Amino acid sequence: SQQGEEDPQALSIQEGENATMNCSYKTSINNLQWYRQNSGRGLVHLILIRSNEREKHSGRLRVTLDTSKKSSSLLITASRAADTASYFCATVGGYQKVTFGTGTKLQVIP
Amino acid sequence: DTGVSQNPRHKITKRGQNVTFRCDPISEHNRLYWYRQTLGQGPEFLTYFQNEAQLEKSRLLSDRFSAERPKGSFSTLEIQRTEQGDSAMYLCASSFSGQGKLFFGSGTQLSVL
Repeated sequence: SQQGEEDPQALSIQEGENATMNCSYKTSINNLQWYRQNSGRGLVHLILIRSNEREKHSGRLRVTLDTSKKSSSLLITASRAADTASYFCATVGGYQKVTFGTGTKLQVIP
Repeated sequence: DTGVSQNPRHKITKRGQNVTFRCDPISEHNRLYWYRQTLGQGPEFLTYFQNEAQLEKSRLLSDRFSAERPKGSFSTLEIQRTEQGDSAMYLCASSFSGQGKLFFGSGTQLSVL
């Protein structure tokens, strides 16, 4: 079962542009995380935002969380070709159950 | 820290056969998760453990699927009487309770012919 739904499903941008991905979820959460997956590989953790936080930064990543709207966004600034991957939001509920969204496939064109 | 290890990397089996996958988590991690992922989809939750206790199994999972984590270390995921619809990437992840961040293995790709 999947908790989150991401938008857009696919995104194609030029190198240097910013990429924004959105995630909506259904139930209450303890925290929300974003992961990246290169084709055919396991997922890699990018950033975690707690339910009492509204915004968090890590390098070129900026995450926002609106618990009243049950939504989050991931912004990647100054994108690079190496950012090409699929990005997933993951909600963490009670007892640390982690449920993933449907993902956004990002292509950064050099 | 050698990371999360999954074996085998690939498994091809005939419909009706049983298969077993193994996951070795990062040694100090007490939580272990199993997910299934098909092409173009997000990881689908299957089950997870805290130490040796199985906390939840997805209601979407049939009785053909079973997972164990004896002694709270490695885990095995068994699929009995495989079906073509079981073909997918099976991902294992581990974490340290309270930290929240999951570390993933490279997965086991199952193909059921």
